[in-house]
Amino acid sequence: GQQLNQSPQSMFIQEGEDVSMNCTSSSIFNTWLWYKQEPGEGPVLLIALYKAGELTSNGRLTAQFGITRKDSFLNISASIPSDVGIYFCAGQRISGYALNFGKGTSLLVTP
Amino acid sequence: EAQVTQNPRYLITVTGKKLTVTCSQNMNHEYMSWYRQDPGLGLRQIYYSMNVEVTDKGDVPEGYKVSRKEKRNFPLILESPSPNQTSLYFCASSSPGNSYNEQFFGPGTRLTVL
Repeated sequence: GQQLNQSPQSMFIQEGEDVSMNCTSSSIFNTWLWYKQEPGEGPVLLIALYKAGELTSNGRLTAQFGITRKDSFLNISASIPSDVGIYFCAGQRISGYALNFGKGTSLLVTP
Repeated sequence: EAQVTQNPRYLITVTGKKLTVTCSQNMNHEYMSWYRQDPGLGLRQIYYSMNVEVTDKGDVPEGYKVSRKEKRNFPLILESPSPNQTSLYFCASSSPGNSYNEQFFGPGTRLTVL
């Protein structure tokens, strides 16, 4: 499966700042998902997007499913230290089946 | 509690010594999958299973085997491990027939092959 282009690779920010990361693909996906992985843990789903153009929020997190179905972005507003982790985007051609992952964005937040 | 469990969590072994990493889920999910995670490469799918006795290769299947004799279990077998299989392994499961089909991940197995 195709690996997605995720950027930035890493971010080092101060508490309170907003964060933006994105993911692009050369082919279409029918579902976009954003996961967070903390040290020593498996990825945990943050937001799932099922329709092109969809904008979904989960607390301070907002994600959008690009209108072309080839991209997605994730915003985190007013970051806090517990936002630290690696954020992965993932695309699915058929919902519920194989995930194609980006390489991850490593987020560090200083108090 | 709904969960995916993996054992062992950590394993150090030597080249050529067969090993099995177990994966079990208690959510009655049809779909199960194995991924490996390597620095700078993200997660890549090794094998997946759409149901009992139905398995297929993912993106990086070389050197691995799987079996799906029961719905809840999906072991990953390394018949002759090599150092390039040193990695962090994740099992995941989902139920594609449901409207909300989140893939749940296990806690990971860190494997070192010397």
